[in-house]
Amino acid sequence: GQNIDQPTEMTATEGAIVQINCTYQTSGFNGLFWYQQHAGEAPTFLSYNVLDGLEEKGRFSSFLSRSKGYSYLLLKELQMKDSASYLCAVRDLLAGSARQLTFGSGTQLTVLP
Amino acid sequence: SQTIHQWPATLVQPVGSPLSLECTVEGTSNPNLYWYRQAAGRGLQLLFYSVGIGQISSEVPQNLSASRPQDRQFILSSKKLLLSDSGFYLCAWSGGTDNTEAFFGQGTRLTVV
Repeated sequence: GQNIDQPTEMTATEGAIVQINCTYQTSGFNGLFWYQQHAGEAPTFLSYNVLDGLEEKGRFSSFLSRSKGYSYLLLKELQMKDSASYLCAVRDLLAGSARQLTFGSGTQLTVLP
Repeated sequence: SQTIHQWPATLVQPVGSPLSLECTVEGTSNPNLYWYRQAAGRGLQLLFYSVGIGQISSEVPQNLSASRPQDRQFILSSKKLLLSDSGFYLCAWSGGTDNTEAFFGQGTRLTVV
């Protein structure tokens, strides 16, 4: 089975930096994804990590440590529009489908002025 | 480019009534297709996935069923809705390689009354 943990809520100030952590336990790890979801909308893809290290994409970066079962999403220069839920998702080759993603419960980020 | 269509966007149905949610994908062949449900303030729960026409895998026992009559069509159904079926239903597709993310439809907000 799989277990994905991330904080339920976080609050940060506009212009600041925030790090959202995700820990996971999986048997056949084959990639970790971060999604952003605004209230009432579908999740949108942010980043993908399959090898250890940092992936940078504009204001957003994602880090992975496979040995520790750990990832974080780093958001820089926060803007009000970044207020959303951030979902960590893991692909597990042994979870019944080679393409299946399992999602964490999401971290609700609130950006304050 | 690939697009995914899901309808309707919102639906209010009485208890005991049937349900049919449809999802279609354009611009790709043989996609992996998924139905997720998201309860308020919660993560995404995988309900069904399909790797090909007529191939449906169910993740959790429930009052719902899924069908894939065509390569790019995925349907979520119920014969008799329960109050507990209320939620945000999301259809998604992913490609045939391990590093591809899942792309989501707009979602259907189902309220069973």
